[in-house]
Amino acid sequence: AQSVAQPEDQVNVAEGNPLTVKCTYSVSGNPYLFWYVQYPNRGLQFLLKYITGDNLVKGSYGFEAEFNKSQTSFHLKKPSALVSDSALYFCAVSSTGFQKLVFGTGTRLLVSP
Amino acid sequence: DSGVTQTPKHLITATGQRVTLRCSPRSGDLSVYWYQQSLDQGLQFLIQYYNGEERAKGNILERFSAQQFPDLHSELNLSSLELGDSALYFCASSVLGQGTEAFFGQGTRLTVV
Repeated sequence: AQSVAQPEDQVNVAEGNPLTVKCTYSVSGNPYLFWYVQYPNRGLQFLLKYITGDNLVKGSYGFEAEFNKSQTSFHLKKPSALVSDSALYFCAVSSTGFQKLVFGTGTRLLVSP
Repeated sequence: DSGVTQTPKHLITATGQRVTLRCSPRSGDLSVYWYQQSLDQGLQFLIQYYNGEERAKGNILERFSAQQFPDLHSELNLSSLELGDSALYFCASSVLGQGTEAFFGQGTRLTVV
């Protein structure tokens, strides 16, 4: 069975500093990994995904994520945080076959001015 | 705008009642997914349809059912509603293919009183 763990309920970072939101996964076969962001009273917005290839994936709004197969991790990163990045971030995984995205519990990112 | 349309945006109903949530997927997307987001359960996968057929089932209660119609829109039916069914219900759609991302609607907020 697929599963995703986001060990931090909340991450606090000052504007301008780098940020990391952690995600580890468990899946049979090759993983397809995704990050989504949710703003208040909104649906989830796709940020980036890893399918294969380069372990560093670049996505929307300056976000990137690093795939590490040995550590089964897919951490979300941004070199310089903005206050407007404050939101709820979800990591998700699927595997081969018809897609069924399994989500982590979400990490709230708070960026202070 | 993700291209996925959900109606209604808000729904308030009494315990024991039945409601229908509607989803129109992005143009060209054959897969539709339903998710439930509640404070204590996080984002839970309910069910997936592909081109009218059920493809995967998650933690969907027997009181809940869904279908996808020939025009690819989908409906989620919730019956014998309980207070605990109050949540945000999301529909998402994607094209068929391994590793393709899903695009989410804005959700329907259901409040059972």
